Amino acid sequence: DAGVIQSPRHEVTEMGQEVTLRCKPISGHNSLFWYRQTMMRGLELLIYFNNNVPIDDSGMPEDRFSAKMPNASFSTLKIQPSEPRDSAVYFCASSLGASGLYEQYFGPGTRLTVT
Amino acid sequence: QKEVEQNSGPLSVPEGAIASLNCTYSDRGSQSFFWYRQYSGKSPELIMSIYSNGDKEDGRFTAQLNKASQYVSLLIRDSQPSDSATYLCAVNRTGRRALTFGSGTRLQVQP
Repeated sequence: DAGVIQSPRHEVTEMGQEVTLRCKPISGHNSLFWYRQTMMRGLELLIYFNNNVPIDDSGMPEDRFSAKMPNASFSTLKIQPSEPRDSAVYFCASSLGASGLYEQYFGPGTRLTVT
Repeated sequence: QKEVEQNSGPLSVPEGAIASLNCTYSDRGSQSFFWYRQYSGKSPELIMSIYSNGDKEDGRFTAQLNKASQYVSLLIRDSQPSDSATYLCAVNRTGRRALTFGSGTRLQVQP
């Protein structure tokens, strides 16, 4: 089975530009998570969805960040406008979400560089 | 106090030795506990999950959970240079599907 798929794998953009990151979760998984990882702050949860509905977006840094999950197979994380401090690796993860079982499987990540 | 705490390391062990990685957590109601391995430049990879007190073994890996003391540990037997990576402890806090991650312990296995 295919794992979590993310695109693009690398993104270099200039400050002020819009950036869209994409994720396809593992088929059959009903929970999807967006994380950001930096050396300074480690792995931080940005937002997660359950059955395509956003459940907790308290980790989204500010209004420049938005996330959508229009169906069970696709999610986007958008940054508009981007800033240099947004440079990080962004991971998408999914889990089956059955009661008591929350094992999450990560995608390969998108390395974002904002100049 | 951080929600999930790990010693950042590096923890250096010789090849063939047992590596012991520790993690403490603050939410006493936490129910699920995970260890992820992350190689440099790669994504976290799930290697162990544990849900009840005691030990759980999988090959060279043993996870240990003590809810009364609020700690989780990971033992790696017969450590290999290929085990050199950062190990992340993750905890499922009460009422949340999302995991809270520690900052990771960097393990170096010396040939």
